[in-house]
Amino acid sequence: QKEVEQNSGPLSVPEGAIASLNCTYSDRGSQSFFWYRQYSGKSPELIMSIYSNGDKEDGRFTAQLNKASQYVSLLIRDSQPSDSATYLCAVGEGGYQKVTFGTGTKLQVIP
Amino acid sequence: GAGVSQSPSNKVTEKGKDVELRCDPISGHTALYWYRQSLGQGLEFLIYFQGNSAPDKSGLPSDRFSAERTGGSVSTLTIQRTQQEDSAVYLCASYLVLQGEAFFGQGTRLTVV
Repeated sequence: QKEVEQNSGPLSVPEGAIASLNCTYSDRGSQSFFWYRQYSGKSPELIMSIYSNGDKEDGRFTAQLNKASQYVSLLIRDSQPSDSATYLCAVGEGGYQKVTFGTGTKLQVIP
Repeated sequence: GAGVSQSPSNKVTEKGKDVELRCDPISGHTALYWYRQSLGQGLEFLIYFQGNSAPDKSGLPSDRFSAERTGGSVSTLTIQRTQQEDSAVYLCASYLVLQGEAFFGQGTRLTVV
């Protein structure tokens, strides 16, 4: 059973701070890693994807991958109240890329 | 269309009735998932279609649930003899396999009364 683990939160950070969201996965053969954001009452939307070890930056978002530790994280710099949402980590297998989602971490950015 | 389309957006049904939910994926996307999400909960995997391969039905909670995907495109999720615990938002996602990035529909909110 492939598992993707996230702390459910809520994670509360003050506006302007760095929010750090973490995810671990069980399948050492995983090839692709994604972060989705889900606002309350809305569907998940993709915000970051990462496929190789290291950091990937996109605006205020940085995804970090460490395959040896089976760990992926998302950093949100200069957090804004509009970043308040649930963040879902998703991990894909190789080949036909079945994706397994974590249960999500709720982020609250306090003005 | 440009995105994943699900219908209906809302469905209220009486306990014991059958319901059919539809998902129209992005054209050319070879993989399609169905998920269920109860209020305040995470995504519960239901079923996965990939091309012409046999679907992965390992997440279907009971034999009242079934799904099909016709012609590698539109998918329908059928719930027979609905129960109150089936009330949830049912989400469909499609993606190109090689990219692995899922695009979600707006969901169908099912309420069983």
